[in-house]
Formats: sequence, structure tokens, C-alpha cells
Amino acid sequence: DADVTQTPRNRITKTGKRIMLECSQTKGHDRMYWYRQDPGLGLRLIYYSFDVKDINKGEISDGYSVSRQAQAKFSLSLESAIPNQTALYFCATSGNSWKTSGGMDEQFFGPGTRLTVL
Amino acid sequence: GENVEQHPSTLSVQEGDSAVIKCTYSDSASNYFPWYKQELGKRPQLIIDIRSNVGEKKDQRIAVTLNKTAKHFSLHITETQPEDSAVYFCAASSTGTASKLTFGTGTRLQVTL
Repeated sequence: DADVTQTPRNRITKTGKRIMLECSQTKGHDRMYWYRQDPGLGLRLIYYSFDVKDINKGEISDGYSVSRQAQAKFSLSLESAIPNQTALYFCATSGNSWKTSGGMDEQFFGPGTRLTVL
Repeated sequence: GENVEQHPSTLSVQEGDSAVIKCTYSDSASNYFPWYKQELGKRPQLIIDIRSNVGEKKDQRIAVTLNKTAKHFSLHITETQPEDSAVYFCAASSTGTASKLTFGTGTRLQVTL
């Protein structure tokens, strides 16, 4: 089945370390997203990409960077991790009907990466 | 930008009762409103969505209503079952080439026996 995968699933790191979270999808979707989930705060958008050459900041992009290496791969980096970046991180993709209808498609989420920064 | 508020943050109902979760949005250009369910330790998954050209949509025990004038939309779950226990997120988006979802803060629904 076409899916969205994330690696690693869990990571514990120390303050100041560089961390990369990876996302891959086999759905053939152009659009990919990175979200952060914190208790009581819901899902907040960090970065999103509508194709390989298009990267956009979300509402909480400070302290993060991304790379869209290919249509199927979208990586999130924390250049110098800090404790308040401890959270559950989700990658998501959405379909391509916007190309013809301009509509918004269902987002499909990966399994999440639980990151702890000590 | 868009702002989505969701209430209540927690909701406890007895099995068989109905549950209602409400959301408001700020951007009058928003016209797509999905609801996601996240079970414990799992990824969020779409359960129902509505577009602004309709006022209500049903899928078995789940329904969503939309009031564009008041800028609010609601999720209704009837005949709740223990497997409905989860966190539910509403979201809003405008359509178009730059569309993206803004999520509410979530409602933890507990269905008790």
C-alpha cells in the first residue's frame, strides 16, 4: 500500500546537537508538510512544500530548516536542538487534484517521530 | 492568517450518547473544513470533511455542519462507542494554489461504559 514513512520513530538527543528527521512517501503526491504536535496546542505547521522547487515557511519555522530532495522525500532539520523542541513531529502529504480543481485534498500523515531534547 | 478555535478541550460521554465538538474560524476565505481523529499513539486520520458549498454532511454515525455566516462548524457523533475514544482535530483551509490547513487545538473524547 502507498504510504508515508518517517525515520527515526524515536530520538533522544542533547541540547546543541544537529538532528535530521526524514520523511518518505510512495503516494506520488506533490505536496508535503511538517507539523509539530504538543499537548494542548494541536498540530502546528513548521514548513510545507508544493513541489521540489517550492518551500514555504509555516507558522513556527524558527529553529528549523527543510530540504526537499525529491518528490518523495522531505527532511526536517534542527540545526542546534533546544529542550523546547521536544515534541511529536508528523510529516504529511496531500494529493494532486488541486492542479485541476484548485481544491484541497485529504492529508495523509506519517506515523510520527517522538523527539526528546535533553 | 487563519485562526481556528476548538471547544471543548475534553469531553466525556456515556456509551450510546451523542457528542458534539465545535470549531470557529477567522478567515472568511476558508472553504474546506476537515475533521481528523487521532487514536492513542497513532497518526491523525481524516474521518469526514465538508466544503463551503454544502451546509451538512453525514457518514453513518458522524455528521458535520457548517455555518459560513457565523464562521463555525461542528462535528456530531451519535450512538457513541468505546472505539470513538480519541483526540479529534478540526481544521480549515482556503482552496487555491497556496492552500494549507490550520488545525484547532484538539478535543479529547472519552466514551465511558
